[in-house]
Amino acid sequence: NAGVMQNPRHLVRRRGQEARLRCSPMKGHSHVYWYRQLPEEGLKFMVYLQKENIIDESGMPKERFSAEFPKEGPSILRIQQVVRGDSAAYFCASSPQGGTQETQYFGPGTRLLVL
Amino acid sequence: AQSVSQHNHHVILSEAASLELGCNYSYGGTVNLFWYVQYPGQHLQLLLKYFSGDPLVKGIKGFEAEFIKSKFSFNLRKPSVQWSDTAEYFCAVLTTSGTYKYIFGTGTRLKVLA
Repeated sequence: NAGVMQNPRHLVRRRGQEARLRCSPMKGHSHVYWYRQLPEEGLKFMVYLQKENIIDESGMPKERFSAEFPKEGPSILRIQQVVRGDSAAYFCASSPQGGTQETQYFGPGTRLLVL
Repeated sequence: AQSVSQHNHHVILSEAASLELGCNYSYGGTVNLFWYVQYPGQHLQLLLKYFSGDPLVKGIKGFEAEFIKSKFSFNLRKPSVQWSDTAEYFCAVLTTSGTYKYIFGTGTRLKVLA
């Protein structure tokens, strides 16, 4: 049973470029969550998606960030025109049904470095 | 505002010492509580969780945590740590109203000296 997969594991971008982070949930899971971990801080919720729907994006920065979870394929977190402050570890988690009392399972993260 | 506080940011212990990591939360609704561990270079793994019932929860690798509702606390304990417990530990609350998402503490970095 494959766990949550994220790629790339490490991503280096120059300021102004775009970053695309991919997340494949565990088999049978249809709910995906993205979290960001800034240096010396805990994980902060960004967005919660089901297939083809954004359920809660209350943690997403208002500009440059977007997320999708298409019917087929992985969930994508996209950061346009990256800035140095976007350097962080981005974690994806998945759960079967998105309900309460449900554990979320985390991927290994993508570490983004903006030069 | 909903929040989770972990007061110990860095802890250094010798092997066989006892461990207690503090976690306090501020959340108005029913709480589901978790401890996750992140070993160096690895992803977050679930150590244990509390939803309801017995407030003393046992997890993997000899860890346990106690939910004390009156203190809004969910401290993690282990009677005797090992070098392999060196990792970062995160306490989290899963919100139970609206959409279900985690609120994490800032983490505690544990270093166990051999």
